[in-house]
Amino acid sequence: ETGVTQSPTHLIKTRGQQVTLRCSSQSGHNTVSWYQQALGQGPQFIFQYYREEENGRGNFPPRFSGLQFPNYSSELNVNALELDDSALYLCASSLPGSLQETQYFGPGTRLLVL
Amino acid sequence: AQTVTQSQPEMSVQEAETVTLSCTYDTSESDYYLFWYKQPPSRQMILVIRQEAYKQQNATENRFSVNFQKAAKSFSLKISDSQLGDAAMYFCAYRSALSFGNEKLTFGTGTRLTIIP
Repeated sequence: ETGVTQSPTHLIKTRGQQVTLRCSSQSGHNTVSWYQQALGQGPQFIFQYYREEENGRGNFPPRFSGLQFPNYSSELNVNALELDDSALYLCASSLPGSLQETQYFGPGTRLLVL
Repeated sequence: AQTVTQSQPEMSVQEAETVTLSCTYDTSESDYYLFWYKQPPSRQMILVIRQEAYKQQNATENRFSVNFQKAAKSFSLKISDSQLGDAAMYFCAYRSALSFGNEKLTFGTGTRLTIIP
């Protein structure tokens, strides 16, 4: 059983650019959630995808968007990057109805916006 | 909206001793899940233990146990026989038991645990 994987591990962008982060869910999981973790803070929920549809969104602007593919992998896209977007982006996968629907996390992508 | 509070930004414990990390939460819901996650310097968030709110029995996983007080909205983590590998940031998290559209985790700000050899 493979765990949650994310790519890339690190990324440096400049303000105004666009970025795409990728996540492969744990085998058998059909739900993917994305979180933003600023330095020294707890993760903040961005949105969740269930069977390729957005299934809940946190307090993030529309320039944060996502996709989920038929194999349940997912992308997080951020347009018009701002300095405050610098953070660790975590992806988590889960399977509704199992083990309290526990979310299992990937290692994260560290994004630095200059 | 639910909130999770961890009032101890940092804690330290001697190796082999016991330490308790505190967490309180606020919710109007009666059914929910609570979690403790560990985040070592490698950054990956690792599940430590989980608790269903409808269960009165406190969860236990080897050296890790919780003290769940539903009326007080308190969910503390006890680590027994602390080991060097336990050093990490520990996050308490809340999840509503409502499905489909309400599955987000709400995290506290974390407690940094240092193990003293």
